[in-house]
Amino acid sequence: NAGVMQNPRHLVRRRGQEARLRCSPMKGHSHVYWYRQLPEEGLKFMVYLQKENIIDESGMPKERFSAEFPKEGPSILRIQQVVRGDSAAYFCASSEGGGQPSPLHFGNGTRLTVT
Amino acid sequence: DQQVKQNSPSLSVQEGRISILNCDYTNSMFDYFLWYKKYPAEGPTFLISISSIKDKNEDGRFTVFLNKSAKHLSLHIVPSQPGDSAVYFCAASVSGTYKYIFGTGTRLKVLA
Repeated sequence: NAGVMQNPRHLVRRRGQEARLRCSPMKGHSHVYWYRQLPEEGLKFMVYLQKENIIDESGMPKERFSAEFPKEGPSILRIQQVVRGDSAAYFCASSEGGGQPSPLHFGNGTRLTVT
Repeated sequence: DQQVKQNSPSLSVQEGRISILNCDYTNSMFDYFLWYKKYPAEGPTFLISISSIKDKNEDGRFTVFLNKSAKHLSLHIVPSQPGDSAVYFCAASVSGTYKYIFGTGTRLKVLA
């Protein structure tokens, strides 16, 4: 499967624990995006990364959230000291990048539940 | 500030008829528009896109129309099938940037 791979699909954490969400982009894609979907809401942009660089993290909460896309390995979205309000579906997407506009391709998401 | 709006949260259509999903945007800089379909517990799947240099793009049963003066786009599905029942998101972007802004989605139900 050459699509965007996210794991785990489901993640349960107690308040105060850390959550790590992983995303491997489509083969050949060097641009990664993270979106969050709260219940009954649309997709909200969180962060956009290229290899080893955070390009825009304007959608990320200022505290507790961080993202990386290392030279080797998947992109990681990390949430420290989770709270109940972090419960949501987190989607990763990738694109080819470059000058021409191209669609985002999404993974199946990680559903985070904070108890 | 919701730059991309889908004002109809839900729509029901009979099988075989046309489904029309609407989307409005406020940012006149947007020049690339996309439609996605999302089933429960899955990620959004890209359906069709349109650049602002066009006013129509067609792919099989799916056609997207763009009215730049009204800042409005629509997705037509003809004929509608029960498997089309899903949530549909429109998205908009400015070419050369990386931000794709999504609407809140319209839940389409195609009745057999």
